[in-house]
This record gives sequence, C-alpha cells and structure tokens, in this order.
Amino acid sequence: SQTIHQWPATLVQPVGSPLSLECTVEGTSNPNLYWYRQAAGRGLQLLFYSVGIGQISSEVPQNLSASRPQDRQFILSSKKLLLSDSGFYLCAWSATVGTLYNEQFFGPGTRLTVL
Amino acid sequence: TQLLEQSPQFLSIQEGENLTVYCNSSSVFSSLQWYRQEPGEGPVLLVTVVTGGEVKKLKRLTFQFGDARKDSSLHITAAQPGDTGLYLCAGGGGGADGLTFGKGTHLIIQP
Repeated sequence: SQTIHQWPATLVQPVGSPLSLECTVEGTSNPNLYWYRQAAGRGLQLLFYSVGIGQISSEVPQNLSASRPQDRQFILSSKKLLLSDSGFYLCAWSATVGTLYNEQFFGPGTRLTVL
Repeated sequence: TQLLEQSPQFLSIQEGENLTVYCNSSSVFSSLQWYRQEPGEGPVLLVTVVTGGEVKKLKRLTFQFGDARKDSSLHITAAQPGDTGLYLCAGGGGGADGLTFGKGTHLIIQP
C-alpha cells in the first residue's frame, strides 16, 4: 500500500531564516506531487505541483520554492521566511496510471510558525 | 478563477440528527471530491463523483453531484460524534494540476 510522509511535524522558525520541508511517498512510482498551504481551519491553497523529476509548476507567486530531486521526494523551501509564511503545509500525491480523476492523498502535514 | 463555495461554514447539531452541507460553484468540474479533516491531520478522501446526477453512499453518508456538475451535497443520516470534523469539497479539471478546494464546513456532533 502507498504511504506518504512529511517532516518535520512542527517547526518554529524566526523571520528571515531558511526553510526546508520534505515529503516522500512509498509504494508507488512516478506520482504527481503537490504542496498545499492551509490557513487555520480553512480550505487548501495549492502552492506547487510536479508531474515528474525536476518538473515544477507554481500556482501562486510567493516567497517559497519547490524541488523534486527524486521520483518520490518533494521539497518545499524558502531562503528567508516571512511572518505570512506561517500555516499548515500539506503534501499530497496522485496516481498517474489507473485513474482519470486526480484523486489526491495527503500526508500528515507540517505546522510552521514563523515568529 | 474557479471557486467553490461551501455552506454552512459552521454546523453544530445533536447526535442522531440528520444534516446536509453544500458545495456550489459557477464552474463545471470534471470531478468533485469530498474530504474529511480532523485537527492537526491531513484531509482524508471520502468519495469522488464524476457524472452529473450521480449519487454515492458511504454508510450513513450520501453524496450527490449536480446534473450540471457545478454543485454537490453531502447528507449525513443519524449523525454521530465520530462524524465531527472539517468537510472539504474539491473540484478537479481532469488533468494533473491541483484541485480547487472550498473553505470547508466545520461540523460538530454533540453527544
């Protein structure tokens, strides 16, 4: 079965510090990968998605960047965090074979607080 | 820009009651998904509906996709405290790009 991992689970960082959040998927090959951010108790905002190694699409201009160095690894980064970067960051994957409807499966999330 | 509006935003009812929450859009989606999220966790996929007029049942939960594929509803029969959570609907365009999420309905079922 497929599993998705995110770490760290929680992170408290000062303004201006760098960021690196990691997401890995097990049990599937060549997944589509996604980063979302969720404001407190609200819906999800798509940040980036990737259909393959080195292929990144950005949905919202911002202080963040994403990379996919390996097939099942997705990284969210920032060089200098802003207060507005605080939130709950969710990684998700969807299959590229056997489905037409982009059903997405989410990781446990990372709670980021920028002080 | 495609938007999904969910209503009500908050709903608190007693155990055993029935409820319906709604997800509406002015845009047509290839598919619509419902997720349930508990505090501090990632959303969990409940169902995907793809055909206009489609009805799917998951135990006490009934999901319906509108004929024009612009709206959907979730009906819960005899709600239980375990149904408490944030219910999110999400629309897909049929490709590999991300889903468009509504802001969700916070549901609390009181014992």
